[in-house]
Amino acid sequence: SQQGEEDPQALSIQEGENATMNCSYKTSINNLQWYRQNSGRGLVHLILIRSNEREKHSGRLRVTLDTSKKSSSLLITASRAADTASYFCATPMDSNYQLIWGAGTKLIIKP
Amino acid sequence: KAGVTQTPRYLIKTRGQQVTLSCSPISGHRSVSWYQQTPGQGLQFLFEYFSETQRNKGNFPGRFSGRQFSNSRSEMNVSTLELGDSALYLCASSLPGADEQYFGPGTRLTVT
Repeated sequence: SQQGEEDPQALSIQEGENATMNCSYKTSINNLQWYRQNSGRGLVHLILIRSNEREKHSGRLRVTLDTSKKSSSLLITASRAADTASYFCATPMDSNYQLIWGAGTKLIIKP
Repeated sequence: KAGVTQTPRYLIKTRGQQVTLSCSPISGHRSVSWYQQTPGQGLQFLFEYFSETQRNKGNFPGRFSGRQFSNSRSEMNVSTLELGDSALYLCASSLPGADEQYFGPGTRLTVT
């Protein structure tokens, strides 16, 4: 089963623009993680935000978390062609041994 | 450090056959998780192993099984393959107590 929804399902923007994608989840969490996947390959961990954090930055990435709305957003600034990928949010189940995934946002950066 | 490796990368099997996939975690990582990814169902958790013990299992039939060896390498097995088992199977490893998972490139299984 999937923890939540991500929107949009697909996003196409021009290189240099900012890209924002959102993730909603259903149950309480102690952290939320974002991963990137390039065309059907393995996933790469991007950033983790804990439930007591509201915002976190890593390079061109900015993640926010609103636990009252059970939602998170990932902002990629100054997008590049290499950012073309699918982006997934994931939250650990109670045991922390299992990640529950969103459906993903497919991001296309047009040159 | 070498990343997570999975073998084989691609596999074509026939319905009814069985298959074994292998995963070698990053050195020092003792937790190994397996996921199935399909266009229809997305990413779904299969099971997780730590120190040769299965700690958690997803909602998959008993045809899906796994194990972990003393060197933390893990295998998963799917018996009596069905067309619906066609998927990308991803393995991830993590350090004890860590939240981030490190993924291998996956094994693309096609069942005909």
